[in-house]
Amino acid sequence: KAGVTQTPRYLIKTRGQQVTLSCSPISGHRSVSWYQQTPGQGLQFLFEYFSETQRNKGNFPGRFSGRQFSNSRSEMNVSTLELGDSALYLCASSSQGEGTEAFFGQGTRLTVV
Amino acid sequence: QKEVEQDPGPLSVPEGAIVSLNCTYSNSAFQYFMWYRQYSRKGPELLMYTYSSGNKEDGRFTAQVDKSSKYISLFIRDSQPSDSATYLCVVNVDTDKLIFGTGTRLQVFP
Repeated sequence: KAGVTQTPRYLIKTRGQQVTLSCSPISGHRSVSWYQQTPGQGLQFLFEYFSETQRNKGNFPGRFSGRQFSNSRSEMNVSTLELGDSALYLCASSSQGEGTEAFFGQGTRLTVV
Repeated sequence: QKEVEQDPGPLSVPEGAIVSLNCTYSNSAFQYFMWYRQYSRKGPELLMYTYSSGNKEDGRFTAQVDKSSKYISLFIRDSQPSDSATYLCVVNVDTDKLIFGTGTRLQVFP
């Protein structure tokens, strides 16, 4: 069974640009969550999607948005990039979204210059 | 105050040692308590979870939760160099909104 796949693995963008990250969950999983990991703040919850609906949202500015498609694949978008957005962005999937069986991808390393 | 507090380490121990990793949390509403392990350049992977006070054992790993003092522990027996990683304590209510501690970096040397 294939794991959670995130693309691209690495990305370099310039301040002010926008970026879209992609996450393909484990087959059959309907919940996809996104996290930002930085050395200073650790892992912080961005948002969760379940069956194409945003079910939970963390404390991030509106520049961070996401969506989920009917096949459960999810995308995350960050607009007007800032230097502080440089981080590892992790996606996790689970079947029902109970939080006790979340499987993480390897992440997308975003560097904003 | 952060919702989950965890000593960042690093913790360096010799192979075969017993390792104790600890966290405290602030919100008594948290119902699920997990430990994730993250190797360098990898995503976190779930080690163990529990939803009640007490101990849960899985091989060399024992997770302990004390809800009355809001204290979470992970014990690793007979530690191996392959256990070298960052260990993250995680809490949540009942959704995929996981709240992570900052992680403790563990180094087990031969």
